[in-house]
Amino acid sequence: NAGVMQNPRHLVRRRGQEARLRCSPMKGHSHVYWYRQLPEEGLKFMVYLQKENIIDESGMPKERFSAEFPKEGPSILRIQQVVRGDSAAYFCASQGQGGTEAFFGQGTRLTVV
Amino acid sequence: GQQVMQIPQYQHVQEGEDFTTYCNSSTTLSNIQWYKQRPGGHPVFLIQLVKSGEVKKQKRLTFQFGEAKKNSSLHITATQTTDVGTYFCAGLNDYKLSFGAGTTVTVRA
Repeated sequence: NAGVMQNPRHLVRRRGQEARLRCSPMKGHSHVYWYRQLPEEGLKFMVYLQKENIIDESGMPKERFSAEFPKEGPSILRIQQVVRGDSAAYFCASQGQGGTEAFFGQGTRLTVV
Repeated sequence: GQQVMQIPQYQHVQEGEDFTTYCNSSTTLSNIQWYKQRPGGHPVFLIQLVKSGEVKKQKRLTFQFGEAKKNSSLHITATQTTDVGTYFCAGLNDYKLSFGAGTTVTVRA
């Protein structure tokens, strides 16, 4: 849905660099999910955030990955010291209060070279 | 934690035929949602089912929510080339949306 904005759309990083992926949810939405998708695979849950809170990060690797959703500004998924295995499409989805449908952004395609 | 499983993973269909994809949750769900992702695109919401035993139709697509609210199905009749893509179910429980692995549909003309 055009209302959820992810940037950049494509990101190339060398091994060892940091990747920052941004997600601006739809107006009025206070819940954000991040998912990772490898080519021809499903959506793997990473983290679920509300404003200023991490609700569930059970899908996040313990090291190098972090996520935040500050009171002001977009949600950020940060990957430190990227490796080739981090290459994937990262989608965020936002959701309104009360468990309504999730609206996905167009994703960030991360390529680690 | 909650797990949502989908079968089959791949569905190769002759144009004009029908097929069904199934979704099962390890826990009772508040609701179930279905999404479609076209190749190279992002998931797009199709429908939400909330009530036990609920059935909803969208043209050639029929969605069903099980009586126990732990399983769901999507049935597509008279498959067309426009149906190509990956169909995901997503179970909502405790405000967490968990996706199945998806059923990727290819269509033979």
